[in-house]
Amino acid sequence: RKEVEQDPGPFNVPEGATVAFNCTYSNSASQSFFWYRQDCRKEPKLLMSVYSSGNEDGRFTAQLNRASQYISLLIRDSKLSDSATYLCVLHGSSNTGKLIFGQGTTLQVKP
Amino acid sequence: EAGVAQSPRYKIIEKRQSVAFWCNPISGHATLYWYQQILGQGPKLLIQFQNNGVVDDSQLPKDRFSAERLKGVDSTLKIQPAKLEDSAVYLCASSLEQGGSYEQYFGPGTRLTVT
Repeated sequence: RKEVEQDPGPFNVPEGATVAFNCTYSNSASQSFFWYRQDCRKEPKLLMSVYSSGNEDGRFTAQLNRASQYISLLIRDSKLSDSATYLCVLHGSSNTGKLIFGQGTTLQVKP
Repeated sequence: EAGVAQSPRYKIIEKRQSVAFWCNPISGHATLYWYQQILGQGPKLLIQFQNNGVVDDSQLPKDRFSAERLKGVDSTLKIQPAKLEDSAVYLCASSLEQGGSYEQYFGPGTRLTVT
């Protein structure tokens, strides 16, 4: 079983739509969780950290369910510029900073 | 502030040839990472340095891959000899220190094609 699993998509949605991505992880000892964004042929960039209580940043909301080992990202009012691959990421169980990435979910927002 | 620099940006080689990639992290960042990203997958850590020491190289194919960070700043990653399955983007990242609370910043990557 992969350490981090995501639905690769692609998700094709119209502008203004709400879209949700899910991610599951296998190591219950994982402590820190993130969503990264990667544009086509570019490097990954941190979108937001994911906290146990859930957190929101503008149109983006991240949720963590430790009991189910499940992470989600909700994007409201999708923009064309949101088109990218969204990577679910967690830190390995050792505190070295090693990041473990899911394969990513591709989002394409259409006009 | 300058970001993580990598060169070359693109490289095409034949199998069994050698290749080297260079990374210059953000100034002052003690921790440097090399990741391999195969098309359609997320990045996978190959090696992590803290200053000039290796923290984690458990997923580095040591029979053909090597990396060094001799002065604790720049780093090079080498593949010798290359195989077709080494075709990927090689991403360098750096963070102020190691540990989960420090954000990693990625460079633009080197896209390697092995023919």
